[in-house]
Amino acid sequence: GAVVSQHPSWVICKSGTSVKIECRSLDFQATTMFWYRQFPKQSLMLMATSNEGSKATYEQGVEKDKFLINHASLTLSTLTVTSAHPEDSSFYICSARINPPSARYEQYFGPGTRLTVT
Amino acid sequence: KNQVEQSPQSLIILEGKNCTLQCNYTVSPFSNLRWYKQDTGRGPVSLTIMTFSENTKSNGRYTATLDADTKQSSLHITASQLSDSASYICVVSLSSWGKLQFGAGTQVVVTP
Repeated sequence: GAVVSQHPSWVICKSGTSVKIECRSLDFQATTMFWYRQFPKQSLMLMATSNEGSKATYEQGVEKDKFLINHASLTLSTLTVTSAHPEDSSFYICSARINPPSARYEQYFGPGTRLTVT
Repeated sequence: KNQVEQSPQSLIILEGKNCTLQCNYTVSPFSNLRWYKQDTGRGPVSLTIMTFSENTKSNGRYTATLDADTKQSSLHITASQLSDSASYICVVSLSSWGKLQFGAGTQVVVTP
């Protein structure tokens, strides 16, 4: 149980275009999902917290107009990278928190999406 | 300065041998500490979660320890296997539902 999927697993897009990444909790409901970015040999960096039915909360330095987050249901959150540039190339990972809360405070991570902007 | 420091950055061990990874943190207040395994190009997978009152937690060949007084944790891998080759990440949570603070990870390579 507690499986999180992401789609696509990898994507190549041209500079200036937009790309959407989906994060789904397959066998549980998630009121809250998190979006992370990871550059090679670096830690995961939290980009934003996605709450179902409300606006996402973005971390300092993350442009909310560039990284659009929609959490329309308890099992799906999407991240859209708008007007992508080569510096947006990275590994994007989502995680989901079980709802109702589990005693172990667990977050479950998706397999990640590799974005390459050419 | 990262509030979660891991050492070593990387290590190479022979299959079948044991190894210990270290994690020091300065995050406060502290709720729980987690160890994750991340294979290359994949998302992190949880190995253990410990609250401040827990000293040790095992998951198969993985054993994590926690000293909340000195703010140190370790992850011990017993009888390493080739499939243990991965990055091991120490993560500290400020509260049960708070933000996670990630360490940079220790890259482990297990050789035959």
